[in-house]
Amino acid sequence: QLQLQESGPGLVKPSETLSLTCTVSGGSISSSSYYWGWIRQPPGKGLEWIGSIYYSGSTYYNPSLKSRVTISVDTSKNQFSLKLSSVTAADTAVYYCARLGAVAGGTWVNYWGQGTLVTVSS
Amino acid sequence: QPVLTQSSSASASLGSSVKLTCTLSSGHSSYIIAWHQQQPGKAPRYLMKLEGSGSYNKGSGVPDRFSGSSSGADRYLTISNLQSEDEADYYCETWDSNTHAVFGGGTQLTVL
Repeated sequence: QLQLQESGPGLVKPSETLSLTCTVSGGSISSSSYYWGWIRQPPGKGLEWIGSIYYSGSTYYNPSLKSRVTISVDTSKNQFSLKLSSVTAADTAVYYCARLGAVAGGTWVNYWGQGTLVTVSS
Repeated sequence: QPVLTQSSSASASLGSSVKLTCTLSSGHSSYIIAWHQQQPGKAPRYLMKLEGSGSYNKGSGVPDRFSGSSSGADRYLTISNLQSEDEADYYCETWDSNTHAVFGGGTQLTVL
């Protein structure tokens, strides 16, 4: 059974870089059928897409976060990662990794990780 | 870029049916969407992919009580025989021409 597990610090200081890793088990990150992505949810608010990546390394980022976001993939470890730089309190959220199904021109989340809360505070 | 509009809240009685709506913005009425359920304090769960034709494909383990349909720019999620565990937030999702995902604001469903 597919499992996606987020890992990384739960507390990050303002202006620093948030780093999270998603470990995929029960499936291959190198599958040509899927993309892999990050979504976040501030406390009490809705879902915000951060970005996604294909196993080949092709990336797609939310335009509002693009200048601060880097998503990478490590196929040898079956992992993909998120880096968000220059964080502020507004970046405090539960961060979810996800598997995305794909059709020509589009993707959608078809499997969610359990999420991890990241708080930005000094 | 498509915009997805959802009512902020809905309610229905235990054992009844409810139909939640996700409306695509003008010019995007043919878009495919996905529905997700988020129970209180939990991660979202993928429910189904829904096409403009009304054809849908559900995720693994999603009960038969959940179904989808479409009419024009509207995408519907119908939950029959409502159970207490169906009380949750429901989000729709689509994507734009640059493969950027877009989420609706979510509907909070209360089971009375």
